[in-house]
Amino acid sequence: RKEVEQDPGPFNVPEGATVAFNCTYSNSASQSFFWYRQDCRKEPKLLMSVYSSGNEDGRFTAQLNRASQYISLLIRDSKLSDSATYLCVVDLNDYKLSFGAGTTVTVRA
Amino acid sequence: DAGVTQSPTHLIKTRGQHVTLRCSPISGHKSVSWYQQVLGQGPQFIFQYYEKEERGRGNFPDRFSARQFPNYSSELNVNALLLGDSALYLCASSSTAQQYFGPGTRLTVT
Repeated sequence: RKEVEQDPGPFNVPEGATVAFNCTYSNSASQSFFWYRQDCRKEPKLLMSVYSSGNEDGRFTAQLNRASQYISLLIRDSKLSDSATYLCVVDLNDYKLSFGAGTTVTVRA
Repeated sequence: DAGVTQSPTHLIKTRGQHVTLRCSPISGHKSVSWYQQVLGQGPQFIFQYYEKEERGRGNFPDRFSARQFPNYSSELNVNALLLGDSALYLCASSSTAQQYFGPGTRLTVT
């Protein structure tokens, strides 16, 4: 079983729509959780950390469910610039990040 | 401030050859990690170095090795290249839990 699994998508949504997707992780000892954004042929960039209480950053909302071992990301009022691959990332310890394969989101005009 | 830098940006090698990839971390960061990203997959952890010592190693064969220098820059070496080593190799530096990625080196093995 993979450490982090994501729905690959693609999610094709119109501008202004809301899109949400999840990822699941296998190791219950996981310490920290993140969403990274990766544009085509570029490096991953941290979008937001995910906290147990849930957190928002502008149009982005992340949730963590430790009991069910899943993490979610919701994007409100989608912009064309939100088109990217979103990587779910789990940190088991101080040094190793485990990445999912990514969820592709395409926002159309 | 300069971010993480990597060189070269692109590289083409043939099977059986050796390659060295280089990374310079953000100033003040003492930890460097290496990841391999094959097309269509997420990055896979290869190594982490902290203060010139190997701190962790992922599930990669011994053909992969790395080291960190006194100035905290790092090299990733891959021997006896295989076609399957074609990937984007990412370096990340960190001072706390957050890792900052460089632009990567795109390696093509023919």
